[in-house]
Amino acid sequence: EAGVVQSPRYKIIEKKQPVAFWCNPISGHNTLYWYLQNLGQGPELLIRYENEEAVDDSQLPKDRFSAERLKGVDSTLKIQPAELGDSAVYLCASSLGPTPTRGYTFGSGTRLTVV
Amino acid sequence: DQQVKQNSPSLSVQEGRISILNCDYTNSMFDYFLWYKKYPAEGPTFLISISSIKDKNEDGRFTVFLNKSAKHLSLHIVPSQPGDSAVYFCAARSSASGGSYIPTFGRGTSLIVHP
Repeated sequence: EAGVVQSPRYKIIEKKQPVAFWCNPISGHNTLYWYLQNLGQGPELLIRYENEEAVDDSQLPKDRFSAERLKGVDSTLKIQPAELGDSAVYLCASSLGPTPTRGYTFGSGTRLTVV
Repeated sequence: DQQVKQNSPSLSVQEGRISILNCDYTNSMFDYFLWYKKYPAEGPTFLISISSIKDKNEDGRFTVFLNKSAKHLSLHIVPSQPGDSAVYFCAARSSASGGSYIPTFGRGTSLIVHP
């Protein structure tokens, strides 16, 4: 079974430029999460989807961040414009429902560097 | 204010000995706890979990203990192996009405197992 696939693995952009990350969850997983992980910190939730509906996006900075999950499968997270403080690892995770007993499956993440 | 705390940023143990990783939480609504393991340049992978109705859960070399009155849990790895060297994240979530299903992560503890 393929895991959660994220691309790109690494991205370096100049500040004020746009950037987009892509996530393909495990087949059949209706719940999808985008997390932000700063250096030395644990993952912090940005947004959670149940199928194509964003059900928890209170932590998403909506002035510059946007996300979509068309057809309830793949998802894209966008930042426009990027700021220096956005440098971090962006993790995507998926699960079968919001309370899986065996946890959430994470992708390898996209490491963003804003210069 | 951190609701899940891992106060030891790092831990070093000898191969074959026991590794004990600790985690404290402040939110009494948390009722499900998870441990994740993360290697460099990879996403976190699920290790073991425990429900608040239990005080112990075991899976091979890994055992998680939960002390609800102290709001404390610990992960024991016996015996420790060099391949266990990774960052370990503690996470907690609430399934109660009005609670969030979203897991809250600690900052992680870096475990190094010396051969």
